[in-house]
Amino acid sequence: GNSVTQMEGPVTLSEEAFLTINCTYTATGYPSLFWYVQYPGEGLQLLLKATKADDKGSNKGFEATYRKETTSFHLEKGSVQVSDSAVYFCALSDANYQLIWGAGTKLIIKP
Amino acid sequence: DGGITQSPKYLFRKEGQNVTLSCEQNLNHDAMYWYRQDPGQGLRLIYYSQIVNDFQKGDIAEGYSVSREKKESFPLTVTSAQKNPTAFYLCASSMDRTSGNEQFFGPGTRLTVL
Repeated sequence: GNSVTQMEGPVTLSEEAFLTINCTYTATGYPSLFWYVQYPGEGLQLLLKATKADDKGSNKGFEATYRKETTSFHLEKGSVQVSDSAVYFCALSDANYQLIWGAGTKLIIKP
Repeated sequence: DGGITQSPKYLFRKEGQNVTLSCEQNLNHDAMYWYRQDPGQGLRLIYYSQIVNDFQKGDIAEGYSVSREKKESFPLTVTSAQKNPTAFYLCASSMDRTSGNEQFFGPGTRLTVL
């Protein structure tokens, strides 16, 4: 069946460091891929998405590229800030347009 | 402002009681969803509704019930049959079924069973 695997957290970085959060997926067909972010005590917000192979989603300095050959959608940011501290979820949409979620990766940025 | 509201933010329940969590949206979305989130885990789908007066079970529907009498409202009842109801509950909506991958979330309700 469809599944999403994210790197385990927490990921702890210093401010201005480079960020990579790995996400790989298993799916039939060509799902759309998403990154959502959850700030402490809040609901989730869509951060970025990609709907086909080689698409790059970007928002707020974050980027992720849909890599069909490696079934990956890794999240990257060149210089993180303390305000980026949150939990990040990778997800894919299945054939029924439902979202399949990864377990989430907690990101902690230290000043 | 368009969005999704959930109430209450915190809810405490005694064992054996049913409780109802509210979810309202003014985005004119057709589809609505309920998720459960436990510490260190991803979201698990409880129920979803693609249209008024219709809803389907998700992966963990046992011990929960829903209704969808109005487009903007999708309340979730946690019944006494739910063995371990303490969790963070999130409601979401999407424009329609085919937009189910772009979901908008409410702020969540944290339920604690005493």
